[in-house]
Amino acid sequence: QVRLVESGGGVVQPGGSLRISCAASGFTFSDYGMHWLRQAPGKGPEWLALIRHDGDDKYYADSVKGRFTVSRDNSKNTLYLQMNSLKIDDTAVYYCAKTLRIALIVVADWGQGTQVTVSS
Amino acid sequence: EIVLTQSPATLSLSPGERATLSCRASQSVGSYLAWYQQRPGQAPRLLIYDASNRATGIPARFSGSGSGTDFTLTISSLEPEDFAVYYCQQRGNWPPLTFGGGTRVEIK
Repeated sequence: QVRLVESGGGVVQPGGSLRISCAASGFTFSDYGMHWLRQAPGKGPEWLALIRHDGDDKYYADSVKGRFTVSRDNSKNTLYLQMNSLKIDDTAVYYCAKTLRIALIVVADWGQGTQVTVSS
Repeated sequence: EIVLTQSPATLSLSPGERATLSCRASQSVGSYLAWYQQRPGQAPRLLIYDASNRATGIPARFSGSGSGTDFTLTISSLEPEDFAVYYCQQRGNWPPLTFGGGTRVEIK
Protein backbone atom coordinates (compact mmCIF):
# COMPACT_ATOMS: atom_id res chain seq x y z
CA GLN A 1 0.00 0.00 0.00
CA VAL A 2 1.45 3.34 -1.10
CA ARG A 3 2.15 5.71 1.78
CA LEU A 4 3.50 9.24 1.45
CA VAL A 5 4.12 11.32 4.55
CA GLU A 6 5.13 14.95 4.26
CA SER A 7 6.90 16.77 7.07
CA GLY A 8 8.84 19.94 7.79
CA GLY A 9 6.14 22.52 7.28
CA GLY A 10 5.75 25.48 9.58
CA VAL A 11 5.71 29.25 9.85
CA VAL A 12 8.48 31.22 8.13
CA GLN A 13 9.02 34.92 7.51
CA PRO A 14 8.93 36.42 4.01
CA GLY A 15 12.31 35.98 2.37
CA GLY A 16 13.06 32.95 4.50
CA SER A 17 13.79 29.35 3.61
CA LEU A 18 12.30 25.98 4.46
CA ARG A 19 12.92 22.40 3.41
CA ILE A 20 10.03 19.95 3.43
CA SER A 21 10.33 16.20 3.06
CA CYS A 22 8.20 13.33 1.86
CA ALA A 23 8.85 9.84 3.20
CA ALA A 24 7.66 7.12 0.83
CA SER A 25 6.82 3.49 1.51
CA GLY A 26 4.80 0.65 0.03
CA PHE A 27 6.36 0.82 -3.44
CA THR A 28 9.77 0.82 -5.11
CA PHE A 29 10.53 4.53 -4.73
CA SER A 30 13.46 4.54 -7.15
CA ASP A 31 11.22 3.37 -10.01
CA TYR A 32 8.82 6.32 -9.97
CA GLY A 33 8.85 9.99 -10.74
CA MET A 34 7.56 12.21 -7.96
CA HIS A 35 5.62 15.47 -7.92
CA TRP A 36 5.25 18.39 -5.53
CA LEU A 37 1.98 20.30 -5.56
CA ARG A 38 0.37 22.84 -3.28
CA GLN A 39 -3.08 24.15 -2.49
CA ALA A 40 -3.78 27.58 -1.05
CA PRO A 41 -6.87 28.05 1.14
CA GLY A 42 -10.05 27.91 -0.94
CA LYS A 43 -8.13 27.35 -4.19
CA GLY A 44 -7.52 24.44 -6.50
CA PRO A 45 -4.27 22.48 -6.55
CA GLU A 46 -1.19 23.98 -8.21
CA TRP A 47 1.56 21.78 -9.67
CA LEU A 48 5.05 22.85 -8.64
CA ALA A 49 7.65 20.33 -9.73
CA LEU A 50 8.40 16.86 -11.08
CA ILE A 51 11.57 14.87 -10.57
CA ARG A 52 12.21 11.76 -12.64
CA HIS A 53 12.86 8.42 -10.97
CA ASP A 54 16.63 8.75 -11.11
CA GLY A 55 16.74 12.44 -10.21
CA ASP A 56 18.39 13.39 -13.49
CA ASP A 57 15.51 15.43 -14.90
CA LYS A 58 13.56 18.07 -13.02
CA TYR A 59 10.75 20.33 -14.15
CA TYR A 60 9.27 23.37 -12.43
CA ALA A 61 6.34 25.73 -12.60
CA ASP A 62 7.32 29.29 -13.48
CA SER A 63 5.95 30.50 -10.15
CA VAL A 64 8.71 28.66 -8.25
CA LYS A 65 11.52 28.29 -10.79
CA GLY A 66 14.76 29.65 -9.40
CA ARG A 67 13.41 29.70 -5.83
CA PHE A 68 12.43 26.06 -5.18
CA THR A 69 14.57 22.96 -5.76
CA VAL A 70 13.28 19.41 -5.86
CA SER A 71 15.59 16.53 -4.99
CA ARG A 72 15.42 12.93 -3.87
CA ASP A 73 17.45 10.36 -1.98
CA ASN A 74 16.52 6.95 -3.34
CA SER A 75 18.58 5.22 -0.63
CA LYS A 76 16.30 6.82 1.97
CA ASN A 77 13.04 6.67 -0.02
CA THR A 78 12.67 10.38 0.56
CA LEU A 79 11.70 13.35 -1.61
CA TYR A 80 12.61 16.92 -0.73
CA LEU A 81 11.56 20.43 -1.65
CA GLN A 82 13.98 23.23 -0.74
CA MET A 83 12.10 26.53 -0.72
CA ASN A 84 14.02 29.81 -0.73
CA SER A 85 12.98 33.46 -0.97
CA LEU A 86 9.55 32.58 0.33
CA LYS A 87 6.67 34.96 -0.32
CA ILE A 88 3.31 35.48 1.36
CA ASP A 89 1.67 33.88 -1.69
CA ASP A 90 3.58 30.65 -1.03
CA THR A 91 1.31 29.98 1.95
CA ALA A 92 -0.44 26.67 1.24
CA VAL A 93 -0.69 23.00 2.03
CA TYR A 94 2.15 21.24 0.23
CA TYR A 95 1.63 17.74 -1.12
CA CYS A 96 3.98 15.19 -2.57
CA ALA A 97 2.54 12.71 -5.05
CA LYS A 98 3.68 9.61 -6.86
CA THR A 99 3.37 9.18 -10.61
CA LEU A 100 0.95 6.53 -11.81
CA ARG A 101 3.47 4.29 -13.54
CA ILE A 102 7.04 4.29 -14.66
CA ALA A 103 7.29 6.77 -17.58
CA LEU A 104 3.68 7.91 -17.03
CA ILE A 105 3.64 11.23 -15.18
CA VAL A 106 -0.01 11.18 -14.13
CA VAL A 107 -0.30 12.54 -10.59
CA ALA A 108 -1.60 9.48 -8.80
CA ASP A 109 -1.19 8.87 -5.06
CA TRP A 110 -1.02 11.94 -2.81
CA GLY A 111 0.28 12.39 0.70
CA GLN A 112 -1.78 14.08 3.41
CA GLY A 113 0.08 17.38 3.04
CA THR A 114 2.10 19.71 5.24
CA GLN A 115 1.13 23.32 5.98
CA VAL A 116 3.55 26.08 5.08
CA THR A 117 2.68 29.56 6.28
CA VAL A 118 4.69 32.59 5.20
CA SER A 119 3.98 35.46 7.53
CA SER A 120 5.77 38.26 9.32
CA GLU B 1 0.16 27.66 -20.42
CA ILE B 2 -3.06 25.73 -20.98
CA VAL B 3 -6.06 27.06 -19.06
CA LEU B 4 -8.78 24.63 -17.99
CA THR B 5 -12.28 26.01 -17.40
CA GLN B 6 -14.70 23.88 -15.42
CA SER B 7 -18.46 24.25 -15.43
CA PRO B 8 -20.67 24.61 -13.61
CA ALA B 9 -18.94 26.01 -10.54
CA THR B 10 -21.54 24.33 -8.34
CA LEU B 11 -23.90 21.47 -9.09
CA SER B 12 -26.82 20.89 -6.72
CA LEU B 13 -28.19 17.38 -6.99
CA SER B 14 -29.84 14.68 -4.90
CA PRO B 15 -28.43 11.22 -4.13
CA GLY B 16 -29.22 8.84 -6.96
CA GLU B 17 -29.18 11.55 -9.61
CA ARG B 18 -26.73 11.73 -12.51
CA ALA B 19 -23.96 14.34 -12.40
CA THR B 20 -22.34 15.73 -15.53
CA LEU B 21 -19.25 17.91 -15.08
CA SER B 22 -17.50 19.74 -17.89
CA CYS B 23 -13.88 20.76 -18.45
CA ARG B 24 -12.77 22.85 -21.42
CA ALA B 25 -9.13 23.44 -22.38
CA SER B 26 -7.81 26.62 -23.98
CA GLN B 27 -6.06 24.46 -26.59
CA SER B 28 -5.96 20.79 -27.42
CA VAL B 29 -4.55 18.47 -24.78
CA GLY B 30 -5.23 15.29 -26.79
CA SER B 31 -6.52 12.70 -24.37
CA TYR B 32 -4.16 13.72 -21.59
CA LEU B 33 -6.75 14.83 -19.09
CA ALA B 34 -7.35 13.56 -15.56
CA TRP B 35 -10.10 14.05 -13.00
CA TYR B 36 -9.67 14.25 -9.24
CA GLN B 37 -12.09 14.20 -6.31
CA GLN B 38 -11.39 16.17 -3.14
CA ARG B 39 -13.42 15.75 0.01
CA PRO B 40 -13.17 18.33 2.82
CA GLY B 41 -9.92 18.06 4.75
CA GLN B 42 -8.49 15.43 2.41
CA ALA B 43 -5.97 15.36 -0.40
CA PRO B 44 -7.25 15.03 -3.96
CA ARG B 45 -7.81 11.49 -5.22
CA LEU B 46 -7.24 10.38 -8.81
CA LEU B 47 -10.46 9.15 -10.43
CA ILE B 48 -9.84 9.15 -14.18
CA TYR B 49 -6.69 9.53 -16.29
CA ASP B 50 -6.15 9.89 -20.02
CA ALA B 51 -9.75 11.08 -20.38
CA SER B 52 -11.50 7.76 -19.83
CA ASN B 53 -9.37 5.33 -17.80
CA ARG B 54 -10.59 4.72 -14.25
CA ALA B 55 -7.86 4.59 -11.64
CA THR B 56 -7.50 1.51 -9.47
CA GLY B 57 -10.36 1.08 -7.03
CA ILE B 58 -12.61 3.73 -8.54
CA PRO B 59 -16.25 2.62 -8.82
CA ALA B 60 -17.78 2.07 -12.24
CA ARG B 61 -20.32 4.86 -11.66
CA PHE B 62 -17.51 7.29 -12.50
CA SER B 63 -16.76 7.65 -16.19
CA GLY B 64 -14.85 10.12 -18.32
CA SER B 65 -15.07 11.07 -21.97
CA GLY B 66 -13.79 13.61 -24.45
CA SER B 67 -10.68 14.58 -26.35
CA GLY B 68 -9.02 17.68 -27.69
CA THR B 69 -10.55 20.58 -25.77
CA ASP B 70 -13.83 19.27 -24.35
CA PHE B 71 -14.12 16.70 -21.61
CA THR B 72 -16.85 15.33 -19.35
CA LEU B 73 -16.89 13.50 -16.04
CA THR B 74 -20.12 11.62 -15.40
CA ILE B 75 -21.26 10.14 -12.11
CA SER B 76 -24.13 7.87 -13.09
CA SER B 77 -25.91 7.75 -9.72
CA LEU B 78 -24.67 9.91 -6.87
CA GLU B 79 -23.79 8.22 -3.59
CA PRO B 80 -23.57 10.26 -0.35
CA GLU B 81 -19.76 10.08 -0.43
CA ASP B 82 -19.63 11.60 -3.92
CA PHE B 83 -20.57 15.08 -2.73
CA ALA B 84 -17.21 16.79 -3.01
CA VAL B 85 -15.15 19.08 -5.24
CA TYR B 86 -13.90 17.76 -8.58
CA TYR B 87 -10.90 19.05 -10.52
CA CYS B 88 -9.70 18.37 -14.02
CA GLN B 89 -5.98 18.49 -14.83
CA GLN B 90 -4.03 18.31 -18.09
CA ARG B 91 -0.63 16.95 -19.05
CA GLY B 92 -1.03 17.34 -22.81
CA ASN B 93 1.25 20.35 -22.93
CA TRP B 94 3.60 20.59 -20.01
CA PRO B 95 5.32 21.90 -18.03
CA PRO B 96 3.32 23.07 -16.34
CA LEU B 97 0.65 20.57 -15.46
CA THR B 98 -2.45 22.71 -14.89
CA PHE B 99 -5.70 22.26 -13.00
CA GLY B 100 -9.17 23.65 -13.52
CA GLY B 101 -10.93 25.78 -10.95
CA GLY B 102 -13.12 22.96 -9.72
CA THR B 103 -16.80 21.99 -9.61
CA ARG B 104 -18.48 21.56 -6.27
CA VAL B 105 -21.15 18.85 -6.20
CA GLU B 106 -23.47 19.63 -3.31
CA ILE B 107 -26.57 18.01 -1.88
CA LYS B 108 -29.77 19.64 -3.09
